[in-house]
Amino acid sequence: GESVGLHLPTLSVQEGDNSIINCAYSNSASDYFIWYKQESGKGPQFIIDIRSNMDKRQGQRVTVLLNKTVKHLSLQIAATQPGDSAVYFCAEALYSTLTFGKGTMLLVSP
Amino acid sequence: EAQVTQNPRYLITVTGKKLTVTCSQNMNHEYMSWYRQDPGLGLRQIYYSMNVEVTDKGDVPEGYKVSRKEKRNFPLILESPSPNQTSLYFCASSFSGFPGNTIYFGEGSWLTVV
Repeated sequence: GESVGLHLPTLSVQEGDNSIINCAYSNSASDYFIWYKQESGKGPQFIIDIRSNMDKRQGQRVTVLLNKTVKHLSLQIAATQPGDSAVYFCAEALYSTLTFGKGTMLLVSP
Repeated sequence: EAQVTQNPRYLITVTGKKLTVTCSQNMNHEYMSWYRQDPGLGLRQIYYSMNVEVTDKGDVPEGYKVSRKEKRNFPLILESPSPNQTSLYFCASSFSGFPGNTIYFGEGSWLTVV
């Protein structure tokens, strides 16, 4: 099948650098946001989430920032590793509907 | 092991020949959903189900049907497939709706309609 990575914005970083992936969401009423990682040939994998009453949440090597004023979400990955190479999607949720962004491909060079 | 299982993983079919993509989860989840993924468009929700016998349209339901007769199964039915339904399909489930419930995705089903 055709790669789902075609036509995606791409972020290329060196191993060990910090990566920042950005996402603009569309619905100001969305109350929950999620970042997913998708490796080639696999389904999306949950990374981290944040509720709309927060502006920052940290996980292991990852941080999500939420700016509701400008409807912007970012994912920061510290000390990026080759295994982080994948397509990253943000998703916004309202009630039972989950709307995904188009994704960003992260390429990590050794 | 917690799993969302889809079948078939790969299928080539012809226009108009009815097909069903099965989805099963072993986590007793109430919420299940189908998405299609196309280059440049990301994942788009086709249908979702909050519980048995409760289904609702997502963003792109045209040409698809679903059913939820049992909690663990949520099949996607293409009554008369067309080439524009060539896509990568994902089934997903979570304990309940959002927020706060992790959504688990299946491995995907590549469907080609010729």
